[in-house]
Amino acid sequence: DSGVTQTPKHLITATGQRVTLRCSPRSGDLSVYWYQQSLDQGLQFLIQYYNGEERAKGNILERFSAQQFPDLHSELNLSSLELGDSALYFCASSVAGGAYEQYFGPGTRLTVT
Amino acid sequence: GQQVMQIPQYQHVQEGEDFTTYCNSSTTLSNIQWYKQRPGGHPVFLIQLVKSGEVKKQKRLTFQFGEAKKNSSLHITATQTTDVGTYFCAAPSGGYQKVTFGTGTKLQVIP
Repeated sequence: DSGVTQTPKHLITATGQRVTLRCSPRSGDLSVYWYQQSLDQGLQFLIQYYNGEERAKGNILERFSAQQFPDLHSELNLSSLELGDSALYFCASSVAGGAYEQYFGPGTRLTVT
Repeated sequence: GQQVMQIPQYQHVQEGEDFTTYCNSSTTLSNIQWYKQRPGGHPVFLIQLVKSGEVKKQKRLTFQFGEAKKNSSLHITATQTTDVGTYFCAAPSGGYQKVTFGTGTKLQVIP
């Protein structure tokens, strides 16, 4: 158990819909990262927050947005969903920025039908 | 932007054989991390290398950081079925905030 929690574990929704994925980092970690992993693919970095502020952005679509709240939990919002958005979404946390190891949550498997 | 390539993409080995995955960067790295993702699981941090030429061992796993800090390798001696999974290297970029993950090497161990 990494100490990072993600909900829900599975999500099935239809094209055009909007969903919210939630992540709670390990106790004491200030950084939260979001990754997308399609079937048998690598980890695509989406976005990173540090202590409530956005610090780095990857190839995140405009239909996707995220935020980190004062209690440090984070949410990833995916809207106008397309079939190609079906993937595993991981949240990870670390003490600070990229120089520190990341602890991954179990992921949310999103299926868009 | 920074690219981190890993080779091979896939590797099948007989149980007991050795395995090596290589990670190459287009830029000098401040440090490099290695993660393992079991089938159906999430990536798990293995180790971090910081110094030029650094070598670290974890039981049957040996991690190496190149002298120029542009490449790294993970070597597993006498693979076991528990070694099955995808191994990723990762390196900080973008002012140390972002982490770029390598493309990963998927290891299959044939019993």
